[in-house]
Amino acid sequence: AQTVTQSQPEMSVQEAETVTLSCTYDTSESDYYLFWYKQPPSRQMILVIRQEAYKQQNATENRFSVNFQKAAKSFSLKISDSQLGDAAMYFCALEAGGGSEKLVFGKGMKLTVNP
Amino acid sequence: DTEVTQTPKHLVMGMTNKKSLKCEQHMGHRAMYWYKQKAKKPPELMFVYSYEKLSINESVPSRFSPECPNSSLLNLHLHALQPEDSALYLCASSPGDTDYNEQFFGPGTRLTVL
Repeated sequence: AQTVTQSQPEMSVQEAETVTLSCTYDTSESDYYLFWYKQPPSRQMILVIRQEAYKQQNATENRFSVNFQKAAKSFSLKISDSQLGDAAMYFCALEAGGGSEKLVFGKGMKLTVNP
Repeated sequence: DTEVTQTPKHLVMGMTNKKSLKCEQHMGHRAMYWYKQKAKKPPELMFVYSYEKLSINESVPSRFSPECPNSSLLNLHLHALQPEDSALYLCASSPGDTDYNEQFFGPGTRLTVL
């Protein structure tokens, strides 16, 4: 069975500063994919960043980057130069490879950005 | 077109009503999903359709009935719901033919059962 743990239910950050969201996971699969999704208040859930487990290089998308530690089963998200629009629920998710069709979500973390 | 659309945005229904939620995508995706989401909680998977066939049913009560008329359309038929079924219902789609299934979510239908 796959599990995803987000241990911090809430965090806050000052605008323009950097924040790191933590996520740990567990799976017995060797082939899997990790995702961070963002869900702003009353708005659509969108994909922030994706990491393939077989890739050693950490994924980066503009101000968003991950620190993928495969041995430790850790997948943290760093948001640089935080903006007010980054305020949202952030969900870490795991998909076991081979087209499993199931995403296992963490409980989510509410990020507040203070002006 | 890179979006998933859902109608209606809001729905209020009584426990004896029958209603349907609709989801549509035109990205050529072969897998479509229904999720239920309570406030400040992660989405809970309900159903998965793969190539228009029901591939996963997460032991959802029969008062929820999914339907996939074609590869672009997904419906969720509701009947005799309970107040605890009030939630945000999310539809998602994914390519379905790649090694990973990056899911694209719709904006959801906020359902209130009185």
